[in-house]
Amino acid sequence: QSVLTQPPSASGTPGQRVTISCSGSSFNIGSNYVYWYQHLPGTAPKLLIYRNNQRPSGVPDRFSGSKSGTSASLAISGLRSEDEAVYYCAVWDDSLSGPVVFGGGTKLTVL
Amino acid sequence: QVQLQESGPGLVKPSQTLSLTCTVSGGSISSAIFYWTWIRQPAGKGLEWIGRIYSSGRTNYNPSLKSRVTISIDTSKNQFSLKLNSVTAADTGLYYCAGRSGKYYEGLDSWGQGTLVTVSS
Repeated sequence: QSVLTQPPSASGTPGQRVTISCSGSSFNIGSNYVYWYQHLPGTAPKLLIYRNNQRPSGVPDRFSGSKSGTSASLAISGLRSEDEAVYYCAVWDDSLSGPVVFGGGTKLTVL
Repeated sequence: QVQLQESGPGLVKPSQTLSLTCTVSGGSISSAIFYWTWIRQPAGKGLEWIGRIYSSGRTNYNPSLKSRVTISIDTSKNQFSLKLNSVTAADTGLYYCAGRSGKYYEGLDSWGQGTLVTVSS
């Protein structure tokens, strides 16, 4: 069981906005930056969001991240079929679970 | 952006040692701002951070794997390696090497394609 809790699945129709949550504790999300990765089938994971809400170059602004207290969220607006993937949150953990922990991943289905 | 490629046996017997190598191209593994990471995806599960190594050789490991893991670096070959001993079926999965350039702080911005390792007799 992951230290970070994500819903196992999410879904939406093209054009919709979906949000994926990531819940942690004061040892991880509460005291460190959150990163998000997109994992498309058969490919390597890709850095999607860094430091809670920053996008690497080349990542569309349809993707946004936020953090509040011990929880974080990834929002995807204008949903597209190519967004169908597994999304992971990741964060440094200051407890014995660390140094880095991933969420269990959320499988996003575009209906 | 550097490119990474994993290599190593795809089949390991239980109780033996899993050994993988990651070859870095398009940049120097010795760059001080980089560090290099191993991450795995056990069969049917999510991503799990195994550990990291700096060019200096300093390492950090996942506490749950620490007793079985060694990550090393060979700057002359621009490679870093993973050894996981006393493997069981639970260690079966996709193994990725990844790098952090510092451009996106602690974000891992370079990844290998992953290599499947099966633990079976």
